Amino acid sequence: EDKVVQSPLSLVVHEGDTVTLNCSYEVTNFRSLLWYKQEKKAPTFLFMLTSSGIEKKSGRLSSILDKKELFSILNITATQTGDSAIYLCAVKAGGYQKVTFGIGTKLQVIP
Amino acid sequence: GAGVSQSPSNKVTEKGKDVELRCDPISGHTALYWYRQRLGQGLEFLIYFQGNSAPDKSGLPSDRFSAERTGESVSTLTIQRTQQEDSAVYLCASSLPLPGQETQYFGPGTRLLVL
Repeated sequence: EDKVVQSPLSLVVHEGDTVTLNCSYEVTNFRSLLWYKQEKKAPTFLFMLTSSGIEKKSGRLSSILDKKELFSILNITATQTGDSAIYLCAVKAGGYQKVTFGIGTKLQVIP
Repeated sequence: GAGVSQSPSNKVTEKGKDVELRCDPISGHTALYWYRQRLGQGLEFLIYFQGNSAPDKSGLPSDRFSAERTGESVSTLTIQRTQQEDSAVYLCASSLPLPGQETQYFGPGTRLLVL
C-alpha cells in the first residue's frame, strides 16, 4: 500500500523564521510529488516535482525531491503570518491515477 | 477563469438519509477525483474518473458510496443511508491526465454534517 508521511505534524514559529517541512514516501512506480497549501477547505497547488535534485522556487517557498532517499522538503524563508496553513504532500504513483496524500503539517506563524 | 465548482457548499442531513454532492470540473479536464477529509485528518482518496474509462473506485469506503460522471463533465457523489462518521468535507479535483500536467485543481468542497 502506498504511504506518504509528513513531519512535523505541527509547527509554531515566529515571523521571519525559516521552516523546513518534510515528506517521505513509499510507493510503487513513482510518477510525481506535489505540495499543496490548505488554508480553508480547498488545497491550492504549490509545486510538482518529478526529478531528483532540481529545486523548484516560488518567492519565499522552495522545494526539492530526492528520489533515491524517497523524500522531499518544502522550505519557507522569512515566514509571514499569511503562511499559516496546513501544508500537504501528495504522491502520484503507478499505472492508476490514485493520489496518496500525507496528513499534512500544520504551520502557525505568530507575529 | 472558471475553476472547479462544487455544490452545495454545506449540507446538514439526518442519519439514514441519502445525499448527493455535485462537482463541475474545469472545462477540458478529463480527469476528476473525489476526496474526503475528516476533521483534523488528511485527504482520503475516494474515486477517480478518466474520460470514458472505467473509474478507479478503490478508495470508496463502503457500498453506500457511489459516484457517476457524465462524459467528461459533471460528477455526482452519492452517499446512501448516511452515518455520522460520513461527516467530513468532500473535495473534488480535476486535472489533465498528461504526464507533466498532473496538477490537480481543487473545488471549494462540500461540508457534510450528519446528525
